[in-house]
Amino acid sequence: KQEVTQIPAALSVPEGENLVLNCSFTDSAIYNLQWFRQDPGKGLTSLLLIQSSQREQTSGRLNASLDKSSGRSTLYIAASQPGDSATYLCAVSSSGGSNYKLTFGKGTLLTVNP
Amino acid sequence: DVKVTQSSRYLVKRTGEKVFLECVQDMDHENMFWYRQDPGLGLRLIYFSYDVKMKEKGDIPEGYSVSREKKERFSLILESASTNQTSMYLCASRRTGYGYTFGSGTRLTIV
Repeated sequence: KQEVTQIPAALSVPEGENLVLNCSFTDSAIYNLQWFRQDPGKGLTSLLLIQSSQREQTSGRLNASLDKSSGRSTLYIAASQPGDSATYLCAVSSSGGSNYKLTFGKGTLLTVNP
Repeated sequence: DVKVTQSSRYLVKRTGEKVFLECVQDMDHENMFWYRQDPGLGLRLIYFSYDVKMKEKGDIPEGYSVSREKKERFSLILESASTNQTSMYLCASRRTGYGYTFGSGTRLTIV
């Protein structure tokens, strides 16, 4: 059974700092990995999708990497801003017959202080 | 811009009522999903549908049913609402093999 862990559970940084959020998964047979952002009381916004054959994806100040063999992904946020404050969720889609199913981590609550 | 729309942001219903949560997507996606999100438990899959009129149980289907009569619409039904079904409900859709798009969520309170 796939399990996804996100470390740290919470992170507080000053504005302008570069930061890294970590995600690990137990079964390396994944189809893809997706990073989401969730603001309080709201739905999930997709940030980046990495297919199993890819090593990284970039969008603006965000860069996500994937190392399947070690079961790890990182989300790098450059020059953080107060508007980046949110919960960041990592989710893995396993390969094989169940690739429809996303397994989520519990998330990292990020606070960027002005 | 692609969209998944959930009909209500907030809903309050009484114990024992039959409750319908509606979700519509405009992306012609084959797959649609219902999750619930609870503090400390994260997101859990209730049901999903991989095509019209097709459905499969997720991890926590008890007390719920679903309906997908048209490709763009996926309904979650609470047959007889109970207080332990108070939660945030999230709908999502996906084209097979690609990433998920989520709706904005429905905060359901059962009193």
